[in-house]
Amino acid sequence: EAQVTQNPRYLITVTGKKLTVTCSQNMNHEYMSWYRQDPGLGLRQIYYSMNVEVTDKGDVPEGYKVSRKEKRNFPLILESPSPNQTSLYFCASSRRTPGLAGVIPDTQYFGPGTRLTVL
Amino acid sequence: AQTVTQSQPEMSVQEAETVTLSCTYDTSENNYYLFWYKQPPSRQMILVIRQEAYKQQNATENRFSVNFQKAAKSFSLKISDSQLGDTAMYFCAFMKPRLDYGQNFVFGPGTRLSVLP
Repeated sequence: EAQVTQNPRYLITVTGKKLTVTCSQNMNHEYMSWYRQDPGLGLRQIYYSMNVEVTDKGDVPEGYKVSRKEKRNFPLILESPSPNQTSLYFCASSRRTPGLAGVIPDTQYFGPGTRLTVL
Repeated sequence: AQTVTQSQPEMSVQEAETVTLSCTYDTSENNYYLFWYKQPPSRQMILVIRQEAYKQQNATENRFSVNFQKAAKSFSLKISDSQLGDTAMYFCAFMKPRLDYGQNFVFGPGTRLSVLP
């Protein structure tokens, strides 16, 4: 079954304690992305990756790190979490198809979400 | 920077009736894509429909259709014959393709739709 998995699904931690949220997809997608969802703000992109070893900042990258050492995995790292990073996090993946005017998007497949609470 | 606005935080509709969710966006781009995503209580994000800006024909997917007005920068979603399973948060999203193969996805704040029996 084609899917994006995230772990953990729920996490409560304390300020300053480093944590990693894992994301893995089994569809051989080039493109992966992390979002955070907050009430009234929709989803905001944190980081994205166009392929292995290629990552770039989204709209709200401060306080986060990512890495893309393998095509299927795209972990999100919070080196020193703070309460304002309490949120619902989604990982997503999609194929990318080059077109004449840039990438042609395919369906983004989202993971089930990770509810993070930083005390 | 692109922005996406959904002016209706909450809406409700009777089962079997039709409802329209509004979305407007701001961009200076000519080539882009628009999406509607559904997020049921399970929190899973599900693609409902997408529209390419260069296509004049409005996209349809079964009971879901859009009214795409490029000049007005409006992208509304119409749900016909509403079903209880349509109860969810609906997000409008804008995506601009880039020559470096990156993507710039911007989501609206969402509209919470309740379908009433």
